[in-house]
Amino acid sequence: AQSVAQPEDQVNVAEGNPLTVKCTYSVSGNPYLFWYVQYPNRGLQFLLKYITGDNLVKGSYGFEAEFNKSQTSFHLKKPSALVSDSALYFCAVRLYNFNKFYFGSGTKLNVKP
Amino acid sequence: DVKVTQSSRYLVKRTGEKVFLECVQDMDHENMFWYRQDPGLGLRLIYFSYDVKMKEKGDIPEGYSVSREKKERFSLILESASTNQTSMYLCATNAGTDTHGYTFGSGTRLTVV
Repeated sequence: AQSVAQPEDQVNVAEGNPLTVKCTYSVSGNPYLFWYVQYPNRGLQFLLKYITGDNLVKGSYGFEAEFNKSQTSFHLKKPSALVSDSALYFCAVRLYNFNKFYFGSGTKLNVKP
Repeated sequence: DVKVTQSSRYLVKRTGEKVFLECVQDMDHENMFWYRQDPGLGLRLIYFSYDVKMKEKGDIPEGYSVSREKKERFSLILESASTNQTSMYLCATNAGTDTHGYTFGSGTRLTVV
């Protein structure tokens, strides 16, 4: 069975500090990996994706993520957090040639001034 | 930009009512999806559709049905609403090529009383 795990329900970080939101996955086949962000009472917005190539991908709002095949992880990172980054973050996996996404349970990021 | 519009942001219905949630997209995408989002459970796929008049069950289809009579519109139907269907419902679309992520609507928060 395919699965995506976000081991932390909540991550707290001070503004200006680096942040990491963790994601690991278990799938059969080659995955495409995505991060989405959700602000209160809104739909999910695309942040970034890994398809192939360089393991470090850059996305919107200064976020980046590192694909690690051996650890089956795709952690979201940002060098310097902003209060406005506070939101719910979802990791998602899509299999090659299969149009269905598997989502993690979400991680609430709190950035304090 | 692709726009995915869900007709209602907030909805309150009574137990036993038949409920229609509407989703309309304006970019001619083949694929449309309905998810429900619950705290701690992430997003769970209810139904999806790859084409007009075509539908497939997702992971939690019980108590729901769908209709896709036109390419741009995908309706989720709760045949007889129950309190355990109180949730945030999210519609999503994509163009069907492997590397594309989803575009989400803003969501409908449904409360069944």
